[in-house]
Amino acid sequence: AQKVTQAQTEISVVEKEDVTLDCVYETRDTTYYLFWYKQPPSGELVFLIRRNSFDEQNEISGRYSWNFQKSTSSFNFTITASQVVDSAVYFCALSEASSGTYKYIFGTGTRLKVLA
Amino acid sequence: DTEVTQTPKHLVMGMTNKKSLKCEQHMGHRAMYWYKQKAKKPPELMFVYSYEKLSINESVPSRFSPECPNSSLLNLHLHALQPEDSALYLCASTTAPQGNSPLHFGNGTRLTVT
Repeated sequence: AQKVTQAQTEISVVEKEDVTLDCVYETRDTTYYLFWYKQPPSGELVFLIRRNSFDEQNEISGRYSWNFQKSTSSFNFTITASQVVDSAVYFCALSEASSGTYKYIFGTGTRLKVLA
Repeated sequence: DTEVTQTPKHLVMGMTNKKSLKCEQHMGHRAMYWYKQKAKKPPELMFVYSYEKLSINESVPSRFSPECPNSSLLNLHLHALQPEDSALYLCASTTAPQGNSPLHFGNGTRLTVT
């Protein structure tokens, strides 16, 4: 069963629009960690933000903000005033313990196209 | 610039060849990961090394053989691959054993099996 679901396959916005990427996760652990990564066409996965399961405070970092809701198992990510350089595939990921080591499980990804 | 270095960037190999992918990091991370990523798909976990010991093998075929000779190096030995093994192979590292630290990824090796 898919543990991290990103229902939006592709989103297109016009530059300067705000865009929210959705992520729903599934885990039995009481302590877990959630991440957002960006993968531009060059291929490298770039870490963006992180959230612990016991801290539901939402934050803003520059043009990025996130909304973590444990009750709905969602960890949504918003880019404010989008730019063409934000065009990439965005992955939500869940870190889960397995035999004393942590697996990082990635969602299916959302392709964001920001049009000039 | 990425702090995880993967070589080579591109590799083309025949089904009877033996080749190796190399990954190096000098951040003092003690957990290192191999992921496989097919086009338009998410990265799929293959192997995890923690303190230089193999801790997770996600039922990967034996034609892929990982090796962690020291805390900075991670290799993936390839032998008798199939065309469907063509993919982007990503190496990542993080502090161990905590799972709250993000993975740091290399640029990947794009492998084509002919």
